[in-house]
Amino acid sequence: SQTIHQWPATLVQPVGSPLSLECTVEGTSNPNLYWYRQAAGRGLQLLFYSVGIGQISSEVPQNLSASRPQDRQFILSSKKLLLSDSGFYLCAWSPDGFNEKLFFGSGTQLSVL
Amino acid sequence: AQRVTQPEKLLSVFKGAPVELKCNYSYSGSPELFWYVQYSRQRLQLLLRHISRESIKGFTADLNKGETSFHLKKPFAQEEDSAMYYCAPNPDSNYQLIWGAGTKLIIKP
Repeated sequence: SQTIHQWPATLVQPVGSPLSLECTVEGTSNPNLYWYRQAAGRGLQLLFYSVGIGQISSEVPQNLSASRPQDRQFILSSKKLLLSDSGFYLCAWSPDGFNEKLFFGSGTQLSVL
Repeated sequence: AQRVTQPEKLLSVFKGAPVELKCNYSYSGSPELFWYVQYSRQRLQLLLRHISRESIKGFTADLNKGETSFHLKKPFAQEEDSAMYYCAPNPDSNYQLIWGAGTKLIIKP
């Protein structure tokens, strides 16, 4: 069966420090991969999605970047964190195609101090 | 702009009472529509999707194109239905769902 792993679960980082959040999927191939940010009292905001290795689409301009070095690995990064980067980040995958069911990771609570 | 509205941040009903979680969207056409749910200490997960026209855990959702709504309903609420519910249409049939802010459903015993 397919599983998605996201780590770390919580992270406290100082302003200006780098960031690397990792997400891996097992049990499937060529998944679509997503990074979302979830703000309290608001819906999920899509940050990046990827339909294949090295293919990254950014939905909003920001201080973050994403990479997909392997088929089932998706990394969210920043060179210098801002206070406004604090939030809850979710990784998700879906089968290839549109309108497919999303499977979510357990999330990372990032606090930038 | 494309928008989806879940007007109730919090909905509290007694066990056995009917439940309706509202979802309205602001665009025309025939979007694919989803309801996702997050139970306490669990991951966000799909509850149901319009195209499947299925009933999951007693919940159903009907698309009303005239009212541009996709309300989630259950005739008799159970305590285990307490959770956060998100409506998420896909208006352009691409990779981006438009997420509502969510409704926290509390079922009182």
